Amino acid sequence: DADVTQTPRNRITKTGKRIMLECSQTKGHDRMYWYRQDPGLGLRLIYYSFDVKDINKGEISDGYSVSRQAQAKFSLSLESAIPNQTALYFCATSDTDSGYTFGSGTRLTVV
Amino acid sequence: SQQGEEDPQALSIQEGENATMNCSYKTSINNLQWYRQNSGRGLVHLILIRSNEREKHSGRLRVTLDTSKKSSSLLITASRAADTASYFCATGMDSSYKLIFGSGTRLLVRP
Repeated sequence: DADVTQTPRNRITKTGKRIMLECSQTKGHDRMYWYRQDPGLGLRLIYYSFDVKDINKGEISDGYSVSRQAQAKFSLSLESAIPNQTALYFCATSDTDSGYTFGSGTRLTVV
Repeated sequence: SQQGEEDPQALSIQEGENATMNCSYKTSINNLQWYRQNSGRGLVHLILIRSNEREKHSGRLRVTLDTSKKSSSLLITASRAADTASYFCATGMDSSYKLIFGSGTRLLVRP
């Protein structure tokens, strides 16, 4: 099994729908992150969490919410999806500053 | 806005040649990391260099860091077709372990 698992891998949804992207990890890391990637661009931070009780907004949190259900689980929700949220979404974990471990990504299309 | 900017945006070389990618950033950092991404997949951590280090090696990879110029370079020696990917630098600015990613360099290694 992968260290960081994201589900679903691909999703097409309609404008206005609520959608949840899930992430689970087996690394035992406290720190978890959600990033989005748009074509030709780097990754931008949406939310991050340093433990179950600590949730922080990143640079582009508007329109998104997160839930840290357990140390191993960190989900991202789009409350009312819009087309410009079409992107590749990545979950990552880290332990101190030894580098991130990324999931394989969720390709989300909002039509 | 992005903290790190890679240069060049795209690079095409022949197998066996060396590939050099540069990263410039704007503010003081705690560490700088390089990641690799194959065609829409998750990013893979390559190497981390701390602000008090000047050079690190890992296999065919060599990373340098010049904090006075706020720049870093990634050198891949004796490139292979399998090195074809996008390469991103990411800066960690403080002890929060958040990373800010650049927009990446697309490397094509021709067989």
